[in-house]
Amino acid sequence: RKEVEQDPGPFNVPEGATVAFNCTYSNSASQSFFWYRQDCRKEPKLLMSVYSSGNEDGRFTAQLNRASQYISLLIRDSKLSDSATYLCVVNINNDMRFGAGTRLTVKP
Amino acid sequence: GAVVSQHPSWVICKSGTSVKIECRSLDFQATTMFWYRQFPKQSLMLMATSNEGSKATYEQGVEKDKFLINHASLTLSTLTVTSAHPEDSSFYICSALNPGLMNTEAFFGQGTRLTVV
Repeated sequence: RKEVEQDPGPFNVPEGATVAFNCTYSNSASQSFFWYRQDCRKEPKLLMSVYSSGNEDGRFTAQLNRASQYISLLIRDSKLSDSATYLCVVNINNDMRFGAGTRLTVKP
Repeated sequence: GAVVSQHPSWVICKSGTSVKIECRSLDFQATTMFWYRQFPKQSLMLMATSNEGSKATYEQGVEKDKFLINHASLTLSTLTVTSAHPEDSSFYICSALNPGLMNTEAFFGQGTRLTVV
C-alpha cells in the first residue's frame, strides 16, 4: 500500500463547479499535512496546510480526519486558473511523502 | 520570494557527459534536502535524501553511483548526474525543510529540466 494515496483523476469540470479531492495516508505517526499545487513544468507550490479543525482560504477548504487518516480539499466556484495538479503531502518527522497528484482541468 | 534556489533551470547535454545541479537554501540552514525526479505526466518520485555532512540516503532503485549527491554545507546540496543518457532526461526538483520549524511545509527549488541528446 502506498503511503499517500489520492484520487487518480483527471477531473474535468466546468467553470463555477465545486470539486473535491480526497487523500488517504497509511502512517498514523504522520504529523502535518498539506495540499500543494503543481502547474505544468513547474515546481510544486504550497496551496494550504491542513489542520485538524479544518481550514478555509477563500474558495478552498481543507479538512483532516485523523481517525480515518483522510484529508480532503474542496474547491468552490472553480476558475480556469485552478487547472493544475494537486498534490497531497504528509510530513512524518520532517520526512515529506507525496501523493501521486490529481489533475484538474477547469473548462469554460 | 524564493527561499530555495535551484540552478540551472534547464540544461541540454550530450550523452555520456555529467551534469551538476545545485540547490541552495536562501533563508535558512537546511540540514536535510530532498531530490526528486518527475517524468512527463507522472508524479514526483523521491530519489534521495541529502544530509549535511553525511552520506545521502537513496530510495530503492536509484543508483547512488550514477546520481551523486553532495551536501557539504548547510545551504547547498548538489546532484550530479554522471554519464547521462537520454533516459535520464527528466525534471529534477530539490526541496528543503527549515529545521528550526518542525512539521512545516517543504520549500521547493524551481526545478531543472534536463535533456540528454
